[in-house]
Amino acid sequence: AQRVTQPEKLLSVFKGAPVELKCNYSYSGSPELFWYVQYSRQRLQLLLRHISRESIKGFTADLNKGETSFHLKKPFAQEEDSAMYYCALTRHGSSNTGKLIFGQGTTLQVKP
Amino acid sequence: EPEVTQTPSHQVTQMGQEVILRCVPISNHLYFYWYRQILGQKVEFLVSFYNNEISEKSEIFDDQFSVERPDGSNFTLKIRSTKLEDSAMYFCASLQGVDRHEQYFGPGTRLTVT
Repeated sequence: AQRVTQPEKLLSVFKGAPVELKCNYSYSGSPELFWYVQYSRQRLQLLLRHISRESIKGFTADLNKGETSFHLKKPFAQEEDSAMYYCALTRHGSSNTGKLIFGQGTTLQVKP
Repeated sequence: EPEVTQTPSHQVTQMGQEVILRCVPISNHLYFYWYRQILGQKVEFLVSFYNNEISEKSEIFDDQFSVERPDGSNFTLKIRSTKLEDSAMYFCASLQGVDRHEQYFGPGTRLTVT
């Protein structure tokens, strides 16, 4: 079964502190992993995806197939990073309908 | 920048009534989705739609649910006879192509069943 687990419901850090939002997945095939973010009163939007290996707003995430993890990291948190973060998975390959499987989400609270 | 829109933003209905939630996906997108999020729970996939037919659906998407793209613009989710447990936030999303990966989400419709 496909599953995404985000163990922390809430992560609270001070501005300037490093941030790591954890995400683990289970999937028997080859997945594509994403981080989506939802700022207050805004819609869900893509933050980054593992295949592009890019850094967005200072965030990075590396797919670790051995540990089946895709943790989101930022070295210095900013107050504007406060939001709900969702890790998500989709299938790769010809059977891919684009369906996303989401984790529970982690609320990141960056205190001044 | 084009956006996915959803109407209404909030719908209150009585148990047993039919509701239709409406979405206007981004115009050159080909794949369409409905997700729901019950308060305090994760975002759950309901259904995907491509080439005028359902391409995948979850076990949540039973006979009470249906989707339609009636006019090449709107994408609707109908719940025939609402139950209390259908109360949730319903998100529509669209995707240009499965190889493009980025799904664009609408702002959601909050459905309250009383």
